[in-house]
Amino acid sequence: GQNIDQPTEMTATEGAIVQINCTYQTSGFNGLFWYQQHAGEAPTFLSYNVLDGLEEKGRFSSFLSRSKGYSYLLLKELQMKDSASYLCAVGAGSYQLTFGKGTKLSVIP
Amino acid sequence: DTGVSQDPRHKITKRGQNVTFRCDPISEHNRLYWYRQTLGQGPEFLTYFQNEAQLEKSRLLSDRFSAERPKGSFSTLEIQRTEQGDSAMYLCASSRTGASYNEQFFGPGTRLTVL
Repeated sequence: GQNIDQPTEMTATEGAIVQINCTYQTSGFNGLFWYQQHAGEAPTFLSYNVLDGLEEKGRFSSFLSRSKGYSYLLLKELQMKDSASYLCAVGAGSYQLTFGKGTKLSVIP
Repeated sequence: DTGVSQDPRHKITKRGQNVTFRCDPISEHNRLYWYRQTLGQGPEFLTYFQNEAQLEKSRLLSDRFSAERPKGSFSTLEIQRTEQGDSAMYLCASSRTGASYNEQFFGPGTRLTVL
């Protein structure tokens, strides 16, 4: 089976850096995805990791350790518009994605 | 390219009624997925098509649910004899074969409320 854990909620200050962790246990693995979802909207793709290490894309970076079943999403220079839910999802053995429950990030002034 | 579209955006129905939702994927995408999302949860996989073939179905997809993709383009998801527990956001996503990884593009969803 699949099990994906991430914190339910986080709060951070505008301009700061925040790290959202995700741990997973899956019966197969072919990649880890991070999606952003604003309230009432569709999830939008942020990043993909399949090999260990850090992937950087502008203000967003994502890290993966396959041996530890661990990933994090790092958001730098936080902006108010970054207030959203961040979903960790694993692809394992097929084309479907298994999502965590999401981390609701609130950015405060 | 206007992205993945879904219709209707909102649906309110009475328990026991049938409902049908439509999804139009990105035109060159041959994979199409249906997910269900309830408040405070991540999307849960329901079913997946490659072209017109339905290749995977979740155990969440009871026999009251049926999905089709008759010409390998748009898809429909029908729920028969709706129950209050069916109230959720139904998300459609699409992706293309040949990409280096399976990035799925999501539509805006259909929010179903069963009274």
